Amino acid sequence: DAGVIQSPRHEVTEMGQEVTLRCKPISGHNSLFWYRQTMMRGLELLIYFNNNVPIDDSGMPEDRFSAKMPNASFSTLKIQPSEPRDSAVYFCASSGRVGNSPLHFGNGTRLTVT
Amino acid sequence: SQELEQSPQSLIVQEGKNLTINCTSSKTLYGLYWYKQKYGEGLIFLMMLQKGGEEKSHEKITAKLDEKKQQSSLHITASQPSHAGIYLCGARTGANNLFFGTGTRLTVIP
Repeated sequence: DAGVIQSPRHEVTEMGQEVTLRCKPISGHNSLFWYRQTMMRGLELLIYFNNNVPIDDSGMPEDRFSAKMPNASFSTLKIQPSEPRDSAVYFCASSGRVGNSPLHFGNGTRLTVT
Repeated sequence: SQELEQSPQSLIVQEGKNLTINCTSSKTLYGLYWYKQKYGEGLIFLMMLQKGGEEKSHEKITAKLDEKKQQSSLHITASQPSHAGIYLCGARTGANNLFFGTGTRLTVIP
């Protein structure tokens, strides 16, 4: 089992640029979650999908953020345009079909916007 | 909304000492999860508790969920440098997403 795979591991970009973060969940998992972690706010849920459908996006900070899950094995989180306050570590996690299954996290993408 | 408060925020212990981390919820917990995070890495799942009074152990780490299901504790016996990291508790909401506490940073001095 390869686990949840995120890319890139690190991203440095200039303010105003578009940023795309990618995630491959564990095969067979039907729920996918995007989180953001900062020192000030801790770990925040941005959006989660169930069976490729977005269920709750209330954590997405603003319209500059968007997430897609075109199929069961791939998801993207896009920020356009990026701002310095978006700098954080972004985590993707997936969980299985059984209710209350634990989430399995990727190693995250560290985003720095200058 | 439901909140999870962890205490202490940080903890420094000598190797070999026991320690306890607490997680308190403002509402009844329906599934409580403990994770560990090392710097620069993702969260590693440790244990899940669902029933009031439930207790689980893995190696030298024991977690409990109190009878009222509003507080959980994580206890490490004979701490080692490998136990160092950030410990986070997480809980499910009725909408099935998972939100996390504020985290406890553990340092173990050899």
